Amino acid sequence: GNSVTQMEGPVTLSEEAFLTINCTYTATGYPSLFWYVQYPGEGLQLLLKATKADDKGSNKGFEATYRKETTSFHLEKGSVQVSDSAVYFCALINAGNMLTFGGGTRLMVKP
Amino acid sequence: NAGVTQTPKFQVLKTGQSMTLQCAQDMNHNSMYWYRQDPGMGLRLIYYSASEGTTDKGEVPNGYNVSRLNKREFSLRLESAAPSQTSVYFCASSEGFRYEQYFGPGTRLTVT
Repeated sequence: GNSVTQMEGPVTLSEEAFLTINCTYTATGYPSLFWYVQYPGEGLQLLLKATKADDKGSNKGFEATYRKETTSFHLEKGSVQVSDSAVYFCALINAGNMLTFGGGTRLMVKP
Repeated sequence: NAGVTQTPKFQVLKTGQSMTLQCAQDMNHNSMYWYRQDPGMGLRLIYYSASEGTTDKGEVPNGYNVSRLNKREFSLRLESAAPSQTSVYFCASSEGFRYEQYFGPGTRLTVT
């Protein structure tokens, strides 16, 4: 079956630091990959997506590249802000199956 | 365009009471979902509706029922609430299974 593994948090960074949140997946075929973000007290919002190998999704300064050879979709941002503090979820959809989520990674950015 | 809306935002129930959580979407999506989110456990799918008129069990359906009232609305019912159902409940919708889901703001439910 499908599965998504994320690095455990919390990840604590200072403002303007470089961010990487690792995500690896197990799936057959060619899944579509997503990053969702959940700000405190809110629902999940789609942050970015990639639908085929080597695609790069980007939004709000965040980027992730679909790496089929390493089955990874790591989230990066060059300079985080306090407002980026949230929980980040990696997810995939594969061949008629439903969205499969990772466990989430909490990011805390300190001024 | 409100997206996915949920009511109520907060609810406190006593053990054994019943209630219905309401969800509506205005994006003309075919598929709708109910999740619960518990600390340290991520999101777990309770029930889903692939299209109007169909519903199916997800990962954790026990203690819940759902109704797909029409294309826009998908409700979740707790017939006899238990403390183990204390959680945050999220409704989501998507064009279909292979498409990204859009989430509502959530309902925080406490069962005492």
